[in-house]
Amino acid sequence: NAGVTQTPKFQVLKTGQSMTLQCAQDMNHEYMSWYRQDPGMGLRLIHYSVGAGITDQGEVPNGYNVSRSTTEDFPLRLLSAAPSQTSVYFCASSRLAGVRDTQYFGPGTRLTVL
Amino acid sequence: KNEVEQSPQNLTAQEGEFITINCSYSVGISALHWLQQHPGGGIVSLFMLSSGKKKHGRLIATINIQEKHSSLHITASHPRDSAVYICAVRITYTGNQFYFGTGTSLTVIP
Repeated sequence: NAGVTQTPKFQVLKTGQSMTLQCAQDMNHEYMSWYRQDPGMGLRLIHYSVGAGITDQGEVPNGYNVSRSTTEDFPLRLLSAAPSQTSVYFCASSRLAGVRDTQYFGPGTRLTVL
Repeated sequence: KNEVEQSPQNLTAQEGEFITINCSYSVGISALHWLQQHPGGGIVSLFMLSSGKKKHGRLIATINIQEKHSSLHITASHPRDSAVYICAVRITYTGNQFYFGTGTSLTVIP
């Protein structure tokens, strides 16, 4: 199994550009989530999904959109990039949103917005 | 206000030392996780705790639900243990979403 994969690993955008961060998992996990990691702060939840067709907002959703058309894929869209969105983005998945389930993380995408 | 506090922020140890990293939280939780973030950035789950103690190799994790506190211990530390260790809790009133501490950066010197 590849686990959780993310592309790209690095990306530089100009302010106002849009892009999609890809996330895929091959473990048939129902629960997928996107986090951002900023210096001096813990990982923060952007959006999450408990299954295909179901998404919801996390702690910091503004400026991001998600969709979940399949169990495997959970892309994160930046609608109009801003310098405040410079961060490292992690996708994660787990079997369920149940309390005993381990999250598996992707390798991360380092995004710089100029 | 951060629901999860870790200490220390940074820790340097000599190889072979016993290491303790602490995590305190302020709200009701359904589970606590310890994660390890490697220097290259990848994050892996070490432990999930809802009570008591767990051990895996040289790593031991404990949780005291009444005191809202957890510790991660590393016995006989080794330079390959150098990483950032992150405490994460599933907070009950948020529908069991994860909230993360800011991490403890550990460096083990040979």
